[in-house]
Amino acid sequence: SQQGEEDPQALSIQEGENATMNCSYKTSINNLQWYRQNSGRGLVHLILIRSNEREKHSGRLRVTLDTSKKSSSLLITASRAADTASYFCATDAPGANSKLTFGKGITLSVRP
Amino acid sequence: ETGVTQTPRHLVMGMTNKKSLKCEQHLGHNAMYWYKQSAKKPLELMFVYNFKEQTENNSVPSRFSPECPNSSHLFLHLHTLQPEDSALYLCASSPQVGWTGPETQYFGPGTRLLVL
Repeated sequence: SQQGEEDPQALSIQEGENATMNCSYKTSINNLQWYRQNSGRGLVHLILIRSNEREKHSGRLRVTLDTSKKSSSLLITASRAADTASYFCATDAPGANSKLTFGKGITLSVRP
Repeated sequence: ETGVTQTPRHLVMGMTNKKSLKCEQHLGHNAMYWYKQSAKKPLELMFVYNFKEQTENNSVPSRFSPECPNSSHLFLHLHTLQPEDSALYLCASSPQVGWTGPETQYFGPGTRLLVL
């Protein structure tokens, strides 16, 4: 079944550095989204990119999508300690009836 | 705050207990979801409701019984659970299943369940 797989599984950076996280998926998609989850909390939607878009920005977030490679990247610029969280990509496919498929997530640690 | 609340936030129960998880959304959405999140595993979709009707049961054991009395409320009734059912249970909502817009889901904070 289609599934987003994030890479790396864990990332540790210094505050102020940029963090890049990648997601790959297996089949055609309508949209790809990134969510953040703080420890023991629910997921919070960050940004959505449609299959016909290649790049999108939202504040310090930049998302790219390469449908030919079936991959996406999430870049967080000028990271802050508060960005420490798990990040998930989620895809929805044509005909999947709104069902989202999530990856296992990337644990990002930003050291002050 | 995402507009989706869940109670209780933490629950410890024995394998013979019966308990219920509650989810409420204040976003005017018509679709609601139950997910199970276990350590080091992808989020697992359990159930989907659209306009109070169940549209998806992802092969969930019958010891989990969902109930959706209206579009704003969703329950998950638990009975005779197993220790491997210990996990974070997340509720989410979205405008509706099959909506032509982008499918963004809004999550509650989750219920951390421990089955002893």
